Amino acid sequence: SQTIHQWPATLVQPVGSPLSLECTVEGTSNPNLYWYRQAAGRGLQLLFYSVGIGQISSEVPQNLSASRPQDRQFILSSKKLLLSDSGFYLCAWTDEGFHTGELFFGEGSRLTVL
Amino acid sequence: GQNIDQPTEMTATEGAIVQINCTYQTSGFNGLFWYQQHAGEAPTFLSYNVLDGLEEKGRFSSFLSRSKGYSYLLLKELQMKDSASYLCAVLDSNYQLIWGAGTKLIIKP
Repeated sequence: SQTIHQWPATLVQPVGSPLSLECTVEGTSNPNLYWYRQAAGRGLQLLFYSVGIGQISSEVPQNLSASRPQDRQFILSSKKLLLSDSGFYLCAWTDEGFHTGELFFGEGSRLTVL
Repeated sequence: GQNIDQPTEMTATEGAIVQINCTYQTSGFNGLFWYQQHAGEAPTFLSYNVLDGLEEKGRFSSFLSRSKGYSYLLLKELQMKDSASYLCAVLDSNYQLIWGAGTKLIIKP
């Protein structure tokens, strides 16, 4: 069966510090991978998606970046965090063609920037 | 622009029935999803509608009318554990998910 894990679950970071969130998927190959951010009372905002190794599409301009060094690994990074980067970050995957009609989410990472 | 509208919050009584509505305006349509999200947790899949009509899955049912740009999620025999946010999302013509802000459902004894 397929599983998705992301970490860390919770982190508190000062403004200007770097960030690295990691996500891995097991039990499938060639997944589409996504990073979402959810602010309180807001819908899910797509940050990045990837259809393959080294292929990253960015949906919104920001000081965040993403990388996919391996087929089932997706990393969200920042060199210098802003207060506005606080939120609930979710990694997700779906199969190559979205055939199942379902997006599978990791456990989420709650980031607080002080 | 693309838009998904759903009520911000609803309250219902344990054992009752509640209907959560969702209207959408998107660039194309390749399906509509409902997800459940408990506080502090990730969303989990509830239903997927791509054709008009009602899809029933246990206590939960989801309805779609593509001509009206409208869907609803029907929850029957409400339980306290159903207290959560319910997210409506539409898959557009580019196969990108457009998300609503979610409806927070509060269940009272």
